[in-house]
Amino acid sequence: TQLLEQSPQFLSIQEGENLTVYCNSSSVFSSLQWYRQEPGEGPVLLVTVVTGGEVKKLKRLTFQFGDARKDSSLHITAAQPGDTGLYLCAGAGRGGADGLTFGKGTHLIIQP
Amino acid sequence: SQTIHQWPATLVQPVGSPLSLECTVEGTSNPNLYWYRQAAGRGLQLLFYSVGIGQISSEVPQNLSASRPQDRQFILSSKKLLLSDSGFYLCAWTRGTAGFYNSPLHFGNGTRLTVT
Repeated sequence: TQLLEQSPQFLSIQEGENLTVYCNSSSVFSSLQWYRQEPGEGPVLLVTVVTGGEVKKLKRLTFQFGDARKDSSLHITAAQPGDTGLYLCAGAGRGGADGLTFGKGTHLIIQP
Repeated sequence: SQTIHQWPATLVQPVGSPLSLECTVEGTSNPNLYWYRQAAGRGLQLLFYSVGIGQISSEVPQNLSASRPQDRQFILSSKKLLLSDSGFYLCAWTRGTAGFYNSPLHFGNGTRLTVT
C-alpha cells in the first residue's frame, strides 16, 4: 500500500508570513497533484507535477516535486487569509482508474 | 465545459434507514467516476470507482453499494445506514482514457451525511 504523509497536520500563521507544507512517501509516484479544499466544498486541483525536480509556480504558491519523485513541497509566500483551507497532496503510481493515493492533508489558517 | 452535480448537500438520516446519493456529470463522455468519503483525521477514502456503465469496483468492504445506470450518472446507496456511515461524501470524475497526470480528479461539492 502506498502512503503519503503530510506535515504539518495543522498550521496557523499571521498574514504576510511564509510557510512550507510537505508531502512525503517511501514510494515513487508517476505524478503528484496538490488540491485545496474549503469547508463544505470539494477539493479543487492547484497543480500537477510530473517530472522529478520539477518546480511550478502559481502566483505566490511554489510547488516542487522531489528528484526521486517520492516527495513534494508547497511553499506559500506572503500568505493571505484567502489561502486558508485544507491542502491535500495525491500521488498517482499504480496505474489504472483507481491509482490515486491521498494524504490526510494540512489544515492551514491565515489570520489577518 | 464540464460540470459535476451532487445532491443533496446535507442529509440527516436515522440509523437503519436507506440512503441514495446521486451524482451526474455534464460536458464529457465515458468518464471514470468515483465515490470518496472524507472523515476527520482519515483523509479521503476511495469507496467505489467505475470505468463504464454497470462496471463498479469496490475498494473497501462496507455497508454501502454503488451503481452506474447511465454513462454520466453515479449513485451511492445503502439499505440500512449505520452510525459509522456518517461523513462527507464526494463524487468525482476523470477523463476515462487519460492518466491522472493529465486528467486529475474533478470533485463535486459533497454531501454531508449525519446518521443519528
